[in-house]
Amino acid sequence: EAGVVQSPRYKIIEKKQPVAFWCNPISGHNTLYWYLQNLGQGPELLIRYENEEAVDDSQLPKDRFSAERLKGVDSTLKIQPAELGDSAVYLCASSLGLHPNEQFFGPGTRLTVL
Amino acid sequence: AQTVTQSQPEMSVQEAETVTLSCTYDTSESDYYLFWYKQPPSRQMILVIRQEAYKQQNATENRFSVNFQKAAKSFSLKISDSQLGDAAMYFCAQGGTSYGKLTFGQGTILTVHP
Repeated sequence: EAGVVQSPRYKIIEKKQPVAFWCNPISGHNTLYWYLQNLGQGPELLIRYENEEAVDDSQLPKDRFSAERLKGVDSTLKIQPAELGDSAVYLCASSLGLHPNEQFFGPGTRLTVL
Repeated sequence: AQTVTQSQPEMSVQEAETVTLSCTYDTSESDYYLFWYKQPPSRQMILVIRQEAYKQQNATENRFSVNFQKAAKSFSLKISDSQLGDAAMYFCAQGGTSYGKLTFGQGTILTVHP
């Protein structure tokens, strides 16, 4: 069974540029999460989807961040414009349902904003 | 609100020896789960072990076991017969059954010396 797939693995951009990250969850997993992980810290939830509906986006900085999960499968997280402080690892995870003991993580995308 | 605290930024152990990583948490949930995740330099978050709060018996997974003290809100991870491949950042996390996100601690870097 394939795991959670994320691309790209690395991204370097200039500040004020837009950037997008893509996530393909494990087949059949209806819940998808985007986490932000700053260097040396634990992940923090940005947004959670149940199928195509964003059910928890309270931690998503909506002035510059947006996300979508069309058709309830793949998801894209976008930043526009990027700021220096956005440099971090962006992790995607998926689970079969709301139950918290089944979250599987992807390898993450390391973003560097210059 | 949920909080997870790992008070040991770094730990080290000799190969084949035993090491214990500490974690305390706070939650208003009556039903919840606790997890230990391993994150090697490749960034892939790997679930090491999980504990259901309603179970009194401590979880074990091969060389990994936990000491769950519910009243003290303590959840430590013991790694027996440490191996070089155990070297990684370890995160303690807590998730409630009424919501999907995981709350992570700050992490503990484990070094294994040959």
